[in-house]
Amino acid sequence: TQLLEQSPQFLSIQEGENLTVYCNSSSVFSSLQWYRQEPGEGPVLLVTVVTGGEVKKLKRLTFQFGDARKDSSLHITAAQPGDTGLYLCAEETSGSRLTFGEGTQLTVNP
Amino acid sequence: EPEVTQTPSHQVTQMGQEVILRCVPISNHLYFYWYRQILGQKVEFLVSFYNNEISEKSEIFDDQFSVERPDGSNFTLKIRSTKLEDSAMYFCASRKKTYNSPLHFGNGTRLTVT
Repeated sequence: TQLLEQSPQFLSIQEGENLTVYCNSSSVFSSLQWYRQEPGEGPVLLVTVVTGGEVKKLKRLTFQFGDARKDSSLHITAAQPGDTGLYLCAEETSGSRLTFGEGTQLTVNP
Repeated sequence: EPEVTQTPSHQVTQMGQEVILRCVPISNHLYFYWYRQILGQKVEFLVSFYNNEISEKSEIFDDQFSVERPDGSNFTLKIRSTKLEDSAMYFCASRKKTYNSPLHFGNGTRLTVT
């Protein structure tokens, strides 16, 4: 089973700052999904990246998939308190199961 | 927007008791899943279900666990004899198609085994 490593584990920043969180693996990803999870709720899918070098934007969020498909990053511009949450990357290792990383807990302070 | 609903939101049970966690997936979805998240740990796959049978299960999903789709709308997870280490958030999820199709999670049932 592929191990997904996310960094940093915790990140606390001020409103308006930019940040980047990372998801890495020693093996090649077939594809990668990013989720956000808020307390007391289930994960919510943000984006799926499939092609090496792919960049996807979702408002202030930019997702990048490494050329070799072994790493991915999520960059947030001008973070807002509403961005606070647990950011999870996950790989679909078969037609059925997602393998999740442990997540980056982001806190954006007003 | 349609969503996956789970009941109850919280369940407290004594060790050794049976619990049934209930889920109503999105109505036109065909693939159903249970995941769990022990406090402070990662989200872990338990089981997937399609066409009224288990497609895949993890090593966590032992003989104490079972799933059922008793009618056209509900999808249940039963734990026959709960253990302390079964305490976790249990998430149901569903999607329309397989592989790379968006997976929709419910808000979970927090199970506490005392």
